[in-house]
Amino acid sequence: TQLLEQSPQFLSIQEGENLTVYCNSSSVFSSLQWYRQEPGEGPVLLVTVVTGGEVKKLKRLTFQFGDARKDSSLHITAAQPGDTGLYLCAGEGNSGYALNFGKGTSLLVTP
Amino acid sequence: DTAVSQTPKYLVTQMGNDKSIKCEQNLGHDTMYWYKQDSKKFLKIMFSYNNKELIINETVPNRFSPKSPDKAHLNLHINSLELGDSAVYFCASSQESLGDWIRSGANVLTFGAGSRLTVL
Repeated sequence: TQLLEQSPQFLSIQEGENLTVYCNSSSVFSSLQWYRQEPGEGPVLLVTVVTGGEVKKLKRLTFQFGDARKDSSLHITAAQPGDTGLYLCAGEGNSGYALNFGKGTSLLVTP
Repeated sequence: DTAVSQTPKYLVTQMGNDKSIKCEQNLGHDTMYWYKQDSKKFLKIMFSYNNKELIINETVPNRFSPKSPDKAHLNLHINSLELGDSAVYFCASSQESLGDWIRSGANVLTFGAGSRLTVL
């Protein structure tokens, strides 16, 4: 089973702080995706990482795919209240036809 | 225009009832999905349809019956509702079908806003 473990589960920080969330697995993935979900809404894709060791930046967000393609991290610099949400990593499931999601990291950024 | 729209957004019903949730996508995607998100925010795949054909059924009880009249619609009908069915149900769609997205790494899931089902 291709399980994705995310940590931490909850994170509460003040505006301006930096943070990193992690997505780990014992399985190799061809790609991993990160989504953000805001209350009352569905998840929205932030990024897809495909190549081992790849680093992608999206404004203050930096995503890294592990060299072995088993893990990924999301680093947010100078967090803002608008970054508040549930961050989910996802990779292909056993069937290969749908995404399996990690349990998410719930981030709260207070002013 | 909403890309993936689900109705209703909220549904409160009694145990034992039968209910349906509808989903429509106007993105021209080939594949549609139903996911269930529990109270701990865990998002789990239930079904996947590609061009109206069932591709995945992840050991969901057969009280749940998806129906896809055309590739733009995937409805979810639930019979004999139980307390444990309370959750937020998300419909999603993607452009690529079958295993193609694994190779390209470019598949994107577009989600609806969710339907919160509460069974009393």
